[in-house]
Amino acid sequence: ETGVTQTPRHLVMGMTNKKSLKCEQHLGHNAMYWYKQSAKKPLELMFVYNFKEQTENNSVPSRFSPECPNSSHLFLHLHTLQPEDSALYLCASSQREQGGQPQHFGDGTRLSIL
Amino acid sequence: GENVEQHPSTLSVQEGDSAVIKCTYSDSASNYFPWYKQELGKRPQLIIDIRSNVGEKKDQRIAVTLNKTAKHFSLHITETQPEDSAVYFCAAPRISSGSARQLTFGSGTQLTVLP
Repeated sequence: ETGVTQTPRHLVMGMTNKKSLKCEQHLGHNAMYWYKQSAKKPLELMFVYNFKEQTENNSVPSRFSPECPNSSHLFLHLHTLQPEDSALYLCASSQREQGGQPQHFGDGTRLSIL
Repeated sequence: GENVEQHPSTLSVQEGDSAVIKCTYSDSASNYFPWYKQELGKRPQLIIDIRSNVGEKKDQRIAVTLNKTAKHFSLHITETQPEDSAVYFCAAPRISSGSARQLTFGSGTQLTVLP
């Protein structure tokens, strides 16, 4: 399944760098999500966008800045990250922003902060 | 908010045996319960889901059962094969800070099928 594509797959950056993660979905969905997946922890919801409007920010530090220019594209801008931010960042999409909708995930970006 | 607890955290079974993973939830209004499989280095993939108006759903070797009274749901895999080895996550909708319910995921079960 290639419905949700994330780039890059791997990213190594220093704490003072600025980088961006990109997600694109080709499923015609209207809701997009960013999750953080750390070892031995549940998937943590970070942000939700519905029809390109942000509808949820799950108390995420401001060093993570999302952007959703349209329903098919989602970005996560990174700045001044900390070592504990190293994790797999997953993007997902669903037809609508409701808990009763199946979510389709991308392969994720493996982020390492030096 | 919604708490989703998943057990066990690790499970090893012999090839051909059955595997059962259980999840409990706290919000009685939850009405959708998906299960995801994540192989090493790959994306989580939806393998089966169930809505609250049914008690059981099957798809070949996998099935999900739902007990709304007890607020728990389970994943059953029969005739396990080595390719079933992966991390399995359950999820349930929860009340969130926004206007819509969002999925909350369990902590995952590492299933290992021994040949």
